[in-house]
Amino acid sequence: EVQMVESGGGLVQPGGSLRLSCAVSGFTFSSYWMSWVRQAPGKGLEWVANIKYDGSEKYYVDSVKGRFTVSRDNAKNSLYLQMNSLRAEDTSVYYCARVKGVRMLNSNDWYDSFDPWGQGTLVTVSS
Amino acid sequence: DIQMTQSPSSLSASVGDRVTITCRASQSISNFLNWYQQKPGKAPKLLIYAASSLQSGVPSRFSGSGSGTEFTLTISSLQPEDFATYYCQQSYRTPWTFGQGTKVEIK
Repeated sequence: EVQMVESGGGLVQPGGSLRLSCAVSGFTFSSYWMSWVRQAPGKGLEWVANIKYDGSEKYYVDSVKGRFTVSRDNAKNSLYLQMNSLRAEDTSVYYCARVKGVRMLNSNDWYDSFDPWGQGTLVTVSS
Repeated sequence: DIQMTQSPSSLSASVGDRVTITCRASQSISNFLNWYQQKPGKAPKLLIYAASSLQSGVPSRFSGSGSGTEFTLTISSLQPEDFATYYCQQSYRTPWTFGQGTKVEIK
């Protein structure tokens, strides 16, 4: 059974730092791209970052570039999100998600989606 | 960035109703479009990927269609467990973006 468990959330002051972790089991972690997606209270979903299966490529939404760093430890089956210079607008539930990539018949394209998702961890940035 | 716009933002429907949710992209995204269901306090769940492919384990009353800039999610006969918020998401180009969500409520 696939399990993804986030941890590390909590209350932090503006300008502070926090490191989120996502512990994975039930699949070959080192074979998958992984993502972080967040959801502000009562709001919609926002993709935050992607990391390639070997950590060699990383992509971020503009609003976190230079402040957040995604990383992974394939030996520990773990995904991380280091968040620095936190702002009130970073307050959200942060989900880790596996990137499900499917290559359709007669196509060279990979169709990516998020599946499955962890249960989420709440980050609150407030003084 | 590619903007995703869902309509309606909310709807009220009865058990057994046919429900259709529309998602429009600000530019063509071919069929790089996914649909998710989210219930209160829970993580989203993938329903449809590549615009029309049903995720394993998802009931066949859910279907997706469309390509280019206009997409639809259809629930053929609404069940009590389907009352939730639905999101579309494009994976054509980063930043991957979501629609604002459509809340399906009990009439």
